[in-house]
Amino acid sequence: NAGVTQTPKFQVLKTGQSMTLQCAQDMNHNSMYWYRQDPGMGLRLIYYSASEGTTDKGEVPNGYNVSRLNKREFSLRLESAAPSQTSVYFCASSEKLIGEKLFFGSGTQLSVL
Amino acid sequence: AQSVTQPDIHITVSEGASLELRCNYSYGATPYLFWYVQSPGQGLQLLLKYFSGDTLVQGIKGFEAEFKRSQSSFNLRKPSVHWSDAAEYFCAVINNDYKLSFGAGTTVTVRA
Repeated sequence: NAGVTQTPKFQVLKTGQSMTLQCAQDMNHNSMYWYRQDPGMGLRLIYYSASEGTTDKGEVPNGYNVSRLNKREFSLRLESAAPSQTSVYFCASSEKLIGEKLFFGSGTQLSVL
Repeated sequence: AQSVTQPDIHITVSEGASLELRCNYSYGATPYLFWYVQSPGQGLQLLLKYFSGDTLVQGIKGFEAEFKRSQSSFNLRKPSVHWSDAAEYFCAVINNDYKLSFGAGTTVTVRA
């Protein structure tokens, strides 16, 4: 059972470079999320997609864009990476948006130099 | 805005001893509360959740949590800790926008 799969697991970027983090789930979930995790701050929601075809901003959307490519896939793009975006990024999914258990991927460790 | 506070950044406990992790929330109505665990290098896994009903909630891996409205708390407990319980633990609450807000986390170290 794959669950939620994120790629890549590690990435180093130079300031100003762009990249896309990929996320796919095989549980037929409707809702998908991107979080970032920083020491002492827990997880903060970047963007989410309540259902296929919709995306919405979370707490910290600046500097990011997302695409819900289909029901399975939800990508996160950094157009011009900044050192402040150095973080661990987690994708998650749930059957529906409200009050449901989230299933998390194993994370992407991103360093922006 | 709803928020979650985990007062303890780091707790060290001996294997076999009991463990209690504190969580306080601020929310006007009855909150939806969760505890997640993150093992090193892994994503988060749900331990338990509270929506309504019995205020003592049983979860996986022998964990339980008690909702106390009067104290705005949802503390996580385990009677006897195993070395495999070393991890980071996050309390979370559903906010007004119907999304999870996480606390900053508590790291648990288990000593032999």
